[in-house]
Amino acid sequence: SQQGEEDPQALSIQEGENATMNCSYKTSINNLQWYRQNSGRGLVHLILIRSNEREKHSGRLRVTLDTSKKSSSLLITASRAADTASYFCATDFSGSARQLTFGSGTQLTVLP
Amino acid sequence: ETGVTQSPTHLIKTRGQQVTLRCSSQSGHNTVSWYQQALGQGPQFIFQYYREEENGRGNFPPRFSGLQFPNYSSELNVNALELDDSALYLCASSQDRGSNTGELFFGEGSRLTVL
Repeated sequence: SQQGEEDPQALSIQEGENATMNCSYKTSINNLQWYRQNSGRGLVHLILIRSNEREKHSGRLRVTLDTSKKSSSLLITASRAADTASYFCATDFSGSARQLTFGSGTQLTVLP
Repeated sequence: ETGVTQSPTHLIKTRGQQVTLRCSSQSGHNTVSWYQQALGQGPQFIFQYYREEENGRGNFPPRFSGLQFPNYSSELNVNALELDDSALYLCASSQDRGSNTGELFFGEGSRLTVL
């Protein structure tokens, strides 16, 4: 079963707009990570936020974490056509080291 | 490019056959994890190898097995293939961080089709 669930499943925006994706999870975590996957290819790590952090930035990416609500969001600002991909949250949940548990992903399409 | 290489990139097998997938980890990484990604789904953890021993396993049957070699490369073996084994198999390398799982570096995957 999937630990994290992304919302929405699919998102279509115009170039230059911001894209927000949400992730909910079920159990306590050590950290939460976001990955990107271009169609049928490997995953690329975007950002990691630890359970004691509330917000983190990396370039055009902003991630928030609310452990009381067991949720996270990924904001991509000033989106580009090249941002078109699937985005996954992955949790390293407490007591189950060694593995990441991925959600089912959000498919983002950025229209030129 | 992550430096993690997988082979083969694509393969087709028939039900009941056996398959071996290979992975070379990124330089300096001592841990290899394998994930199965069905179409339209997120990756699911199969198992992890650290210093040539299995170091964690997901909810997969024993016909999924693996090896890690002294150079930290790894193999995933699947016996008695079933149609539902059709998926993208992803290898990820990392540097062991004790109780926390840090950033994973993924290869491009091996796409297995079982007919």
